[in-house]
Amino acid sequence: DTGVSQNPRHKITKRGQNVTFRCDPISEHNRLYWYRQTLGQGPEFLTYFQNEAQLEKSRLLSDRFSAERPKGSFSTLEIQRTEQGDSAMYLCASRVLDASGETQYFGPGTRLLVL
Amino acid sequence: GNSVTQMEGPVTLSEEAFLTINCTYTATGYPSLFWYVQYPGEGLQLLLKATKADDKGSNKGFEATYRKETTSFHLEKGSVQVSDSAVYFCALDSGGYQKVTFGIGTKLQVIP
Repeated sequence: DTGVSQNPRHKITKRGQNVTFRCDPISEHNRLYWYRQTLGQGPEFLTYFQNEAQLEKSRLLSDRFSAERPKGSFSTLEIQRTEQGDSAMYLCASRVLDASGETQYFGPGTRLLVL
Repeated sequence: GNSVTQMEGPVTLSEEAFLTINCTYTATGYPSLFWYVQYPGEGLQLLLKATKADDKGSNKGFEATYRKETTSFHLEKGSVQVSDSAVYFCALDSGGYQKVTFGIGTKLQVIP
């Protein structure tokens, strides 16, 4: 299967600690997105990469958050000095051009719990 | 800005009942429209999509028609099954970077 993968699937951490999540998009997809989903809500856009360039960041992405995509393949999302409000599902997506046009496919997500 | 409004749940139906989940949108330009499904503890799966007005997306017995005149993309299924129990998200993408804007999600519970 060559879908989007994310690691870890679950992360429990204590407030104030740093965490890093990884996303491996579908091979050769140059567009990669990060979203955050809190309980009972739809996902909200965080940031977007085209190849290795980070082209857009949501105002939801505070200065404690940083995302990279160093070689235009996998991406990492780091949260420094975690807060309880950071508890959420973090979703990664990559975009593919298929027979019916462009479609965004999502990974399984990383569920973060900050204690 | 873009926005998606969908009916709040939960929606509880008996098996084999008819399903409608309403979705309306506000967007500039000509967005593509999607329905995603999320099963408990899992990520989002694309259920169906439509890229232009009057297109009908369909998959696994679900269907939705892109209605530009009413800015709607209602999800329907003629006969739901217990296995359809999940949260359904209406969504659109548009703009230069094509980020997706989601509705709040509608939880569907199908009882035997």
